[in-house]
Amino acid sequence: NAGVIQTPRHKVTGKGQEATLWCEPISGHSAVFWYRQTIVQGLEFLTYFRNQAPIDDSGMPKERFSAQMPNQSHSTLKIQSTQPQDSAVYLCASSLDWGGYEQYFGPGTRLTVL
Amino acid sequence: QQKVQQSPESLIVPEGGMASLNCTSSDRNVDYFWWYRQHSGKSPKMLMSIFSNGEKEEGRFTVHLNKASLHTSLHIRDSQPSDSALYLCAASNNNAGAKLTFGGGTRLTVRP
Repeated sequence: NAGVIQTPRHKVTGKGQEATLWCEPISGHSAVFWYRQTIVQGLEFLTYFRNQAPIDDSGMPKERFSAQMPNQSHSTLKIQSTQPQDSAVYLCASSLDWGGYEQYFGPGTRLTVL
Repeated sequence: QQKVQQSPESLIVPEGGMASLNCTSSDRNVDYFWWYRQHSGKSPKMLMSIFSNGEKEEGRFTVHLNKASLHTSLHIRDSQPSDSALYLCAASNNNAGAKLTFGGGTRLTVRP
C-alpha cells in the first residue's frame, strides 16, 4: 500500500499563472479530501468527494479554485491566476468512507507563488 | 462556524515526563474528535480518535472526552524526544459531512 500519492511535491509559479495539483487516493477509498496548511491559518478544509461526486466545497475560494475527480484513482485541484497568498502546502487525504473513518494524508504539494 | 481551540500553543516537557494537551470545540453537533501528530516537514498522521464519553488508552497515549463540555485531552506519558511534533486536534460532524475542522495545534518539545 503506497499511501496517498501527491504530485508534484513542490511547485513554483509566477503570479497570475495556473497551478494544477494531483492526488491519487488509497485504492478502495471512497472519500477524497483537499486541505491546505499555512503557518498563519493552520490546516483548513477546502473540498471533498465521495464516490467521485463533489459533496462539499465550502472551503474553496470561489473564484479561482476548482477541484475535480474524473475517476476513482485521481483528483485534481486547479488554481487559476495564482496569487502570493495561495502559497501553502496543499494536502490530499482519503478515507475508506465518510463519517467516522480515519483520513490518511498524502505528503502534500508545497506551492510557492512568486 | 465551528471552531476548534487548542491549548497550550507550545509545551516543553523533559524526557520521561507527562505531556497534557487540550482541545475544545464550539460545535454542539460534533460526533468525533481526532488527534493527529505532524512531525516537521511531514504530513499529519492520526494518533487516536474518540467519540464517546470517557477514556481510551493506546500504549503511552491516553485520550479523554467530555461530550457535555465538548472538551478532549491527549496525555502522553514517558515522553520521548521522538514525540516532539505538532499535535493537531480535529472535530467532525456527520450531519455536516466528513470534513475535519482543525485547531491551531500544540507544538510539543521533549527535552532529552
